[in-house]
Amino acid sequence: GIQVEQSPPDLILQEGANSTLRCNFSDSVNNLQWFHQNPWGQLINLFYIPSGTKQNGRLSATTVATERYSLLYISSSQTTDSGVYFCAVEDGNDMRFGAGTRLTVKP
Amino acid sequence: AAGVIQSPRHLIKEKRETATLKCYPIPRHDTVYWYQQGPGQDPQFLISFYEKMQSDKGSIPDRFSAQQFSDYHSELNMSSLELGDSALYFCASSLGGTGANVLTFGAGSRLTVL
Repeated sequence: GIQVEQSPPDLILQEGANSTLRCNFSDSVNNLQWFHQNPWGQLINLFYIPSGTKQNGRLSATTVATERYSLLYISSSQTTDSGVYFCAVEDGNDMRFGAGTRLTVKP
Repeated sequence: AAGVIQSPRHLIKEKRETATLKCYPIPRHDTVYWYQQGPGQDPQFLISFYEKMQSDKGSIPDRFSAQQFSDYHSELNMSSLELGDSALYFCASSLGGTGANVLTFGAGSRLTVL
């Protein structure tokens, strides 16, 4: 199956800082999504982005499908951004998750 | 907008007991997925259904079974529960499979096996 690698595994920021999270995948995909898992365990869909660039407020994402990677940008981070960020890509008839990046934003 | 509904949200069982989790997909969604997330781990795919037929199978134990009903809701049945089954179980739904469609996840069902 497809391999999904996320980096960094852990990230600690001060409130207001910017960050870039990376997701590498081993094969071409038609579906790539970024999720935020909040401290209560909920998986919130951030972006559906198999290619191109999207922005939603302080978050934006870019996927370069030909080079098999995606980036999630968080600007002016807030404490509520804390949690685990997962990248998931299509693998047959299901989605395979990366191991996630655990983000902690300190006030 | 309606989301994916999972019940129960929390469940406590003893070893060797049976548990059933339910998932109600977003209206008009025809594909349901089940994932298991252990503590500190990423979600692992268990099984999926498209138009009431099993479409893919992942690391689902033989003790577990699932089905999708005529109203598209799905149930995950877990028997002979073990301590290692304690996890967060997510259901997700989409329209038309993973191909080019957004998966939306429910809030999860947290199972604790004592």
